[in-house]
Amino acid sequence: GAGVSQSPRYKVAKRGQDVALRCDPISGHVSLFWYQQALGQGPEFLTYFQNEAQLDKSGLPSDRFFAERPEGSVSTLKIQRTQQEDSAVYLCASSLTGSTEAFFGQGTRLTVV
Amino acid sequence: GESVGLHLPTLSVQEGDNSIINCAYSNSASDYFIWYKQESGKGPQFIIDIRSNMDKRQGQRVTVLLNKTVKHLSLQIAATQPGDSAVYFCAEILTGGGNKLTFGTGTQLKVEL
Repeated sequence: GAGVSQSPRYKVAKRGQDVALRCDPISGHVSLFWYQQALGQGPEFLTYFQNEAQLDKSGLPSDRFFAERPEGSVSTLKIQRTQQEDSAVYLCASSLTGSTEAFFGQGTRLTVV
Repeated sequence: GESVGLHLPTLSVQEGDNSIINCAYSNSASDYFIWYKQESGKGPQFIIDIRSNMDKRQGQRVTVLLNKTVKHLSLQIAATQPGDSAVYFCAEILTGGGNKLTFGTGTQLKVEL
């Protein structure tokens, strides 16, 4: 596709439910990032992949958060046993290797009720 | 629609006027800065970037100024248009930080007709 695609666009989960958020990066982009954006705030870094390797997961807030990119393309962010504080927009971004210009998807708005 | 800009500092300008959006950063190890525009319900969109060895860079209708002495970054938008209404974030990349972005708080720009 022409840009970074994320699905679902919106997700409502009951507290305690597991969720999986998908990111399709721009074809050929080696680097992939996940960010969390709370309402009224700037995005905050969660994790970073270079191809299939997860090089930095220092931003994941707890062990309930898990991300993977098994074939170096599509990535999934999984949140287990969701809590209300997990409610946010989850943004995915991708970039060419060596490039600092990251292209963002529209995000998935997660609401935990 | 969704609002990303709740509780953010707001700058209101008249259409056709110039806008100046400011950002302070704290880490002197940052070597790359980017301005992003985020419209309601969308992901951040790259506007312009600047490296730490520069103090000014110009794009189409936009100029970024970097003052490393006081750790200050500004975005100037010439002849502001209604389509410029959005939340603007500055972001920095730390030296050796693996290209992950650290975002500032953001400023809501409102263009009045």
